[in-house]
Amino acid sequence: QVQLKESGPGLVQPSQTLSLTCTVSGFSLTSNSVSWVRQPPGKGLEWMGAIWSGGSTDYNSALKSRLSISRDTSKSQVFLKMNSLQTEDTAIYFCTRGSSYWGQGVMVTVSS
Amino acid sequence: DIQMTQSPSFLSASVGDRVTINCKASQNINKYLNWYQQKLGEAPKRLIYNTNNLQTGIPSRFSGSGSGTDYTLTISSLQPEDFATYFCLQHNSFPWTFGGGTKLELK
Repeated sequence: QVQLKESGPGLVQPSQTLSLTCTVSGFSLTSNSVSWVRQPPGKGLEWMGAIWSGGSTDYNSALKSRLSISRDTSKSQVFLKMNSLQTEDTAIYFCTRGSSYWGQGVMVTVSS
Repeated sequence: DIQMTQSPSFLSASVGDRVTINCKASQNINKYLNWYQQKLGEAPKRLIYNTNNLQTGIPSRFSGSGSGTDYTLTISSLQPEDFATYFCLQHNSFPWTFGGGTKLELK
């Protein structure tokens, strides 16, 4: 069955770079897109960007200058890298297959 | 960006009640509107896609309707497992944007 699982550090220092991995199973990255979505505590959801089946990417313009999404199809993994983190980047980060299946999310706290 | 205004933010209801949740888009989203259920600590689950298509495995008490800028999720007869948070997503144009969520609580 379709599964997505996010992994990464729970704590990141301000100004540092966040690196997250989404490991997927039950589907192929060359046939499906994967998006990243985040949810700050007590706030709404924000779509961050996506990598499409062909490998191209789209980003939320609000994050584009700091964000990079890539993948390793041989490992069924999608990567998110975001630099210059600030406290307002504290959130649960989700990866999703298209707009259908979601991972459980990983909590990332930005704090010194 | 398309703004999605979801209402109500909180909803108290009883088992067996019929409830509706609304999402209003700031412009026409051409029925590219999904509904999700989220329970604490769990992955969000898609209930409805493209306005009125029921996701496989989702009970038929869930339904969606709408067009243009106005969309509705209806739960025809609330069951105990339905008490959760619900949110909408427009995927008509980038960036995809979400409604603010509706927390459905037991009255």
